[in-house]
Amino acid sequence: NAGVTQTPKFRVLKTGQSMTLLCAQDMNHEYMYWYRQDPGMGLRLIHYSVGEGTTAKGEVPDGYNVSRLKKQNFLLGLESAAPSQTSVYFCASSLLGTANTGELFFGEGSRLTVL
Amino acid sequence: AQTVTQSQPEMSVQEAETVTLSCTYDTSESNYYLFWYKQPPSRQMILVIRQEAYKQQNATENRFSVNFQKAAKSFSLKISDSQLGDTAMYFCAFIGRGGSEKLVFGKGTKLTVNP
Repeated sequence: NAGVTQTPKFRVLKTGQSMTLLCAQDMNHEYMYWYRQDPGMGLRLIHYSVGEGTTAKGEVPDGYNVSRLKKQNFLLGLESAAPSQTSVYFCASSLLGTANTGELFFGEGSRLTVL
Repeated sequence: AQTVTQSQPEMSVQEAETVTLSCTYDTSESNYYLFWYKQPPSRQMILVIRQEAYKQQNATENRFSVNFQKAAKSFSLKISDSQLGDTAMYFCAFIGRGGSEKLVFGKGTKLTVNP
């Protein structure tokens, strides 16, 4: 009963390096999301997807790219990491979408540090 | 733009007592949803309770209930008979029904339940 799984859970990068965070869900949800959580702040939406092959910008999309080639996977990419991207990243999925009162199911988070 | 404010960064309560967490929001929309999410230490965030703005009746889920005051734009969470497992960060969140998937979170309240 995996739910939403994120890999890796921890990563340290140097400024300018690139990396990809993988989110996988086994609940056949249409909607998937990437959030970042910073100290003293709530979660902020980076990008989201309303179905396979679709992506859309959230509140803080700059410096990130995403892809949803398969329904169960949602990838978050950092092409050139910056210290400002040090954060905890959460993936979430939803059957109906948050605008339709769909409950969000979250992964355990991925802690990224950019030196 | 919608905003969500949680004015209590930290709170504590004795086991078995009742505690109320505050949340206010700002929006020009008339139809929306409000949520409380719980993030236990080092664990996944989960939905605690959900309220639809057009419903006057306050939502209740076991020991968790809300006091929804639409005119005052207030959405507080009451936890009755507090348990040690209620220790967590609690986030209030808002989404309008305008079709956007951009769920807006407050900064969170850290609740500690003391034995």
